[in-house]
Amino acid sequence: QKEVEQDPGPLSVPEGAIVSLNCTYSNSAFQYFMWYRQYSRKGPELLMYTYSSGNKEDGRFTAQVDKSSKYISLFIRDSQPSDSATYLCAQEGKGSQGNLIFGKGTKLSVKP
Amino acid sequence: DTEVTQTPKHLVMGMTNKKSLKCEQHMGHRAMYWYKQKAKKPPELMFVYSYEKLSINESVPSRFSPECPNSSLLNLHLHALQPEDSALYLCASSQGPASNTEAFFGQGTRLTVV
Repeated sequence: QKEVEQDPGPLSVPEGAIVSLNCTYSNSAFQYFMWYRQYSRKGPELLMYTYSSGNKEDGRFTAQVDKSSKYISLFIRDSQPSDSATYLCAQEGKGSQGNLIFGKGTKLSVKP
Repeated sequence: DTEVTQTPKHLVMGMTNKKSLKCEQHMGHRAMYWYKQKAKKPPELMFVYSYEKLSINESVPSRFSPECPNSSLLNLHLHALQPEDSALYLCASSQGPASNTEAFFGQGTRLTVV
């Protein structure tokens, strides 16, 4: 049974749009969630890291966790063509925080 | 410095070859990981090393053999691979086995088995 569900897209938006990326999770035992950005043929780059419920903001990026609905979100404001990449949500699994269970990833394209 | 360095960047090997992938970090992290990523798929965990000891092996075939010579280095020894083992192999590290710190990935080794 897949533990982290993510719509793979693709998602295409115009430059300057607000982007909303979402995942759901099934295992409530682990409450650390991450968002990674992965450009084609590169390793994943950590964007945001959140714990349990609430919001976390970093520049144009906001990560949100809704523990009651088991829903995690990443919002990108004023999206730029350089934001075009695959965005992976991940939940910390057993053992340690590097043991990550990834969603399928959403491919985002921001058109100039 | 949040850099995890992997070498080589690309590797082509035959099914009878023996090769090794290398990973290095100098952030003082005590947990290191190998992930495998097939095209258009998310990374999948292979191995976890915690304080230089193997703590998780996700039922990986024995043709993949990890090694952690010291706290900064992680190797993945490859032998008698199959074409379906072709993938991007990612190394990651994190501060340690306790929660509340993030994992950093290297750029990966793109492996092609012919």
